[in-house]
Amino acid sequence: DAGVTQSPTHLIKTRGQQVTLRCSPKSGHDTVSWYQQALGQGPQFIFQYYEEEERQRGNFPDRFSGHQFPNYSSELNVNALLLGDSALYLCASSSTLYEQYFGPGTRLTVT
Amino acid sequence: ILNVEQSPQSLHVQEGDSTNFTCSFPSSNFYALHWYRWETAKSPEALFVMTLNGDEKKKGRISATLNTKEGYSYLYIKGSQPEDSATYLCAHNNAGNMLTFGGGTRLMVKP
Repeated sequence: DAGVTQSPTHLIKTRGQQVTLRCSPKSGHDTVSWYQQALGQGPQFIFQYYEEEERQRGNFPDRFSGHQFPNYSSELNVNALLLGDSALYLCASSSTLYEQYFGPGTRLTVT
Repeated sequence: ILNVEQSPQSLHVQEGDSTNFTCSFPSSNFYALHWYRWETAKSPEALFVMTLNGDEKKKGRISATLNTKEGYSYLYIKGSQPEDSATYLCAHNNAGNMLTFGGGTRLMVKP
């Protein structure tokens, strides 16, 4: 059984561009959460998707948006990239309130 | 704003030493406390989920305790091995399954 997978592994973009990151949850999981980890900090919650709707949102601007598909996979979109958006983006999937399984992350570099 | 703090930020120990880290969190609105182990270039691995005051969990040489009244959790590693080298993250779960992470404790075990 594959765990949580994310693509791509690494990505380099220029300021002002847009980026889409993808996540496939662990089999049987219906909830996907996204986190941003800046260098030297713990992961910060961006938002969570359940039943194809955004259920919770952290303190991130509207430039960050997402989507969940009927097969529970999810995308994170970031518009008008800033240098400060350079980070590791983690996806986590769950089916209960007590667990979150993480993927290996996508490393985004904005130049 | 929920503040989760971990100490120390980093720790160097010799193989065979026992060690412990601290995670502190606001005791109000507590639902669950998660511990993760994160090796470089891998996915964060769930170690424990703790929900009740006084909870103690153990997995091999690693154990954790929880005090929800005073808002802290300890993670203990007995007889550290080089393969224990990793970043250890704790996270507060607010019942919406949004995790608020501490900054992590980076452990390096020297052979």
